[in-house]
Amino acid sequence: EDKVVQSPLSLVVHEGDTVTLNCSYEVTNFRSLLWYKQEKKAPTFLFMLTSSGIEKKSGRLSSILDKKELFSILNITATQTGDSAVYLCALSSNTGKLIFGQGTTLQVKP
Amino acid sequence: NAGVTQTPKFRILKIGQSMTLQCTQDMNHNYMYWYRQDPGMGLKLIYYSVGAGITDKGEVPNGYNVSRSTTEDFPLRLELAAPSQTSVYFCASSYGGPETQYFGPGTRLLVL
Repeated sequence: EDKVVQSPLSLVVHEGDTVTLNCSYEVTNFRSLLWYKQEKKAPTFLFMLTSSGIEKKSGRLSSILDKKELFSILNITATQTGDSAVYLCALSSNTGKLIFGQGTTLQVKP
Repeated sequence: NAGVTQTPKFRILKIGQSMTLQCTQDMNHNYMYWYRQDPGMGLKLIYYSVGAGITDKGEVPNGYNVSRSTTEDFPLRLELAAPSQTSVYFCASSYGGPETQYFGPGTRLLVL
């Protein structure tokens, strides 16, 4: 069965800290891996990764995919209170579906 | 463009009641999806559709029905509401594949 597992499930840090969120998967064939941010409403898109080893960056956020070891990480540097959210990882299967992990809840304290 | 709209925003149902959650998109997307999100969990796919007249089951279809008679609308029907269906329901749409999904604002459903 296709599976996406995120760790840790929750994390509390202070402003300015750097965090690394993990997403591991057991999916036989997939088109891409996606990261979303969810703040008490609908998820908003962060990154789509299709190739192994190529880092994607957007401001203080970056992400990379390792297809050999079957995982992806999402890094956030110099965290701010506005980064507090649930971060979701999802795999886009070849059958036209997204398979979501359970999410990591990040709380950034001032 | 309004994007993906969902109604209602919030609803309380009694056990055994039925209701339809509405979802409409105005982006001419062929793919549409229904997810549920329980507290502290990720999204689980209930049903999806790759075009008008075509629907398919996701991970958790039991207790739900869908139809897709038009490109724009993808209603989700609960026939006999159960407490286990208390959740937040998100509708999403995309064009050509699941990667670029636009999510609606969600419907919070409480079954008592």
